[in-house]
Amino acid sequence: AQSVTQLDSHVSVSEGTPVLLRCNYSSSYSPSLFWYVQHPNKGLQLLLKYTSAATLVKGINGFEAEFKKSETSFHLTKPSAHMSDAAEYFCVVSAPRGGGSYIPTFGRGTSLIVHP
Amino acid sequence: DTAVSQTPKYLVTQMGNDKSIKCEQNLGHDTMYWYKQDSKKFLKIMFSYNNKELIINETVPNRFSPKSPDKAHLNLHINSLELGDSAVYFCASSQDLPYRDDGGNEQFFGPGTRLTVL
Repeated sequence: AQSVTQLDSHVSVSEGTPVLLRCNYSSSYSPSLFWYVQHPNKGLQLLLKYTSAATLVKGINGFEAEFKKSETSFHLTKPSAHMSDAAEYFCVVSAPRGGGSYIPTFGRGTSLIVHP
Repeated sequence: DTAVSQTPKYLVTQMGNDKSIKCEQNLGHDTMYWYKQDSKKFLKIMFSYNNKELIINETVPNRFSPKSPDKAHLNLHINSLELGDSAVYFCASSQDLPYRDDGGNEQFFGPGTRLTVL
């Protein structure tokens, strides 16, 4: 069994200040972890992915995330928020299901609000 | 070129009707998914097909029936539509083979189909 908890439903920051979106997971396997972004009225787009290589993962648009196994966390950060970062962010854990397939589990999402 | 496309983008219909949503991917992926996103943005996986074979079938009313005519297409047919079916439905695809010991590859999402049942 696996689960994902995004600790904040909304995060509000000012433009130019750091962003922190928190994600904790549980999994019986060594999972892959993903962050996706969804801009208003759009589909989801991959920001970054962890697959047991480097624990600090760099993604698109200046985002990065650090995998911490001891804390079962995969928090998403960005040094300086931009207005265009305002969107919904989803943390996803995926693990082998068996039979050559995988099952992804999505967190409930964090809405990032960026103030001018 | 659109990687994952869905039609229609908007669908407004009456309760009790039957409707279909189509999905196509041109990425050569072997796995396709259907998700339902409710008004609170929660994403729930409904179905997953790998090479035309159903591999994930979550707790979904049997009014929902996926059909995969080939590995590039996964359609969703909904019978006897209900008010609670109103949501945004997303199709996605990924390349799952060769098999990996970790959690697999990223998914590519379509733009969504907003279904409104009146």
